[in-house]
Amino acid sequence: EIVLTQSPATLSLSPGERATLSCRASQSVSSYLAWYQQKPGQAPRLLIYDASNRATGIPARFSGSGSGTDFTLTISSLEPEDFAVYYCQQRISWRTFGQGTKVEIK
Amino acid sequence: QVQLQESGPGLVKPSETLSLTCTVSGGSVSSGSYYWSWIRQPPGKGLEWIGYIDYSGGSNYSPSLKSRATTSIDTSKNQFSLKLSSVTAADTAVYYCAREITRPSYYGMDVWGQGTTVAVSS
Repeated sequence: EIVLTQSPATLSLSPGERATLSCRASQSVSSYLAWYQQKPGQAPRLLIYDASNRATGIPARFSGSGSGTDFTLTISSLEPEDFAVYYCQQRISWRTFGQGTKVEIK
Repeated sequence: QVQLQESGPGLVKPSETLSLTCTVSGGSVSSGSYYWSWIRQPPGKGLEWIGYIDYSGGSNYSPSLKSRATTSIDTSKNQFSLKLSSVTAADTAVYYCAREITRPSYYGMDVWGQGTTVAVSS
C-alpha cells in the first residue's frame, strides 16, 4: 500500500501569507495525486486533481505541482476562508490519503 | 446539480454488520463515467478510503478492509451501499459517500455526501 506523508502537520500563518504544503509518496504515483480541503463539520472539497489541475470553481491562488513522489500545494495569499485541513490522495494503486496538514491562523 | 446523501443506523453493536446507503439525486449511478466511493473519518483523525463500485457492479477495496467490506449498487433506486462486517470500536467514524469522475478523463472525487456518523458500541 502506498503511504502518503504530509508535512508539516500544522502550519501557522497569517492572512495574506503564502502557504506551502508538502506530500511525499512512499513510491511513485506519477502525477496521479489530488488535494482536498476540509473545514470542521464539512465534507472534503476537491481542489486539485492529477497534481496540477484546479477543479472547477477553485480560486487561482491554489496551485499544485510535482510528480513521482514529491508534491506541493501552494496557496499564494491566504484568505480567511482558507484556514482548514488539507489532504493529499493518490489513485495509482487503489486510493490512499495523507494524514493531513492543518493550516491555522497565527 | 448532483447530490449524495448517506443513510443508515447511527449505532451498531460490536461484531455486527454496519450497513449504509448513499442516495444519488440529480445524476445517475448507471453512468459509466464514475466510481461511487466510500470514505470514512474516525473522530479527530484523517480520511480513510474504503472502496468503490462502478455502474456494472465492479468494485475495489482498501486491502486493510477488503475482507470485511462489500459494496453494491441498485440502479432502480439510484443508490449504492456499503456493508462492513464484524465491526469493532475502531470502525466508529463519519462515513462519507462520494462520486469520482473517471471518464472521459479523470477528475477526482468532486461530489461528496454530508457524512453520517456511525458509532460502534454495545
